[in-house]
Amino acid sequence: GAGVSQSPSNKVTEKGKDVELRCDPISGHTALYWYRQSLGQGLEFLIYFQGNSAPDKSGLPSDRFSAERTGGSVSTLTIQRTQQEDSAVYLCASSLGPSGSADTQYFGPGTRLTVL
Amino acid sequence: AQSVTQLDSQVPVFEEAPVELRCNYSSSVSVYLFWYVQYPNQGLQLLLKYLSGSTLVESINGFEAEFNKSQTSFHLRKPSVHISDTAEYFCAVSRPGFQKLVFGTGTRLLVSP
Repeated sequence: GAGVSQSPSNKVTEKGKDVELRCDPISGHTALYWYRQSLGQGLEFLIYFQGNSAPDKSGLPSDRFSAERTGGSVSTLTIQRTQQEDSAVYLCASSLGPSGSADTQYFGPGTRLTVL
Repeated sequence: AQSVTQLDSQVPVFEEAPVELRCNYSSSVSVYLFWYVQYPNQGLQLLLKYLSGSTLVESINGFEAEFNKSQTSFHLRKPSVHISDTAEYFCAVSRPGFQKLVFGTGTRLLVSP
């Protein structure tokens, strides 16, 4: 079946612009996660959704970062006023949920964001 | 808070040789442990996980990892590697009841003929 998909695969933007990154989870998965993979910081958790709610936003690095999920499916990660340090690969994952942290998370291919 | 240390950033090895990728974790509570693999130009895939029970867990492609509570380790091993095992391997932990994964910095396994 179809896996987690993300769009765009690559995004180049200018410093100060806003960007939106999209994630389509595996059908039927109620849990959705965003992570960031960068050279300096490795793989970092950003936010977790269960359904349309985000019970854990602890990894969002600043108030320039926000995310939403609608219809218990698609999620959008928005970065406002991008900075060069936002350059990274943004990964989305989904899992069956809500049975907890033992669930296998299935990752998408990522969106490579470059801020010039 | 949990943390994961992968001591080796890169491990070069010859084909058919054994390999061990080291992972140590820090946590004051029980954790679940995972190994994920990222092949070149592909997304992260789960290799194996330890939740409870037998401390030795195996994957379908010959890798195994052993949970050692006293040493807080979860090292990944394979007795004979293939060229196709060339990838980056990430160790991760999660805490029961908390969904996020905390990852190590990754170990790049380079298998040469």
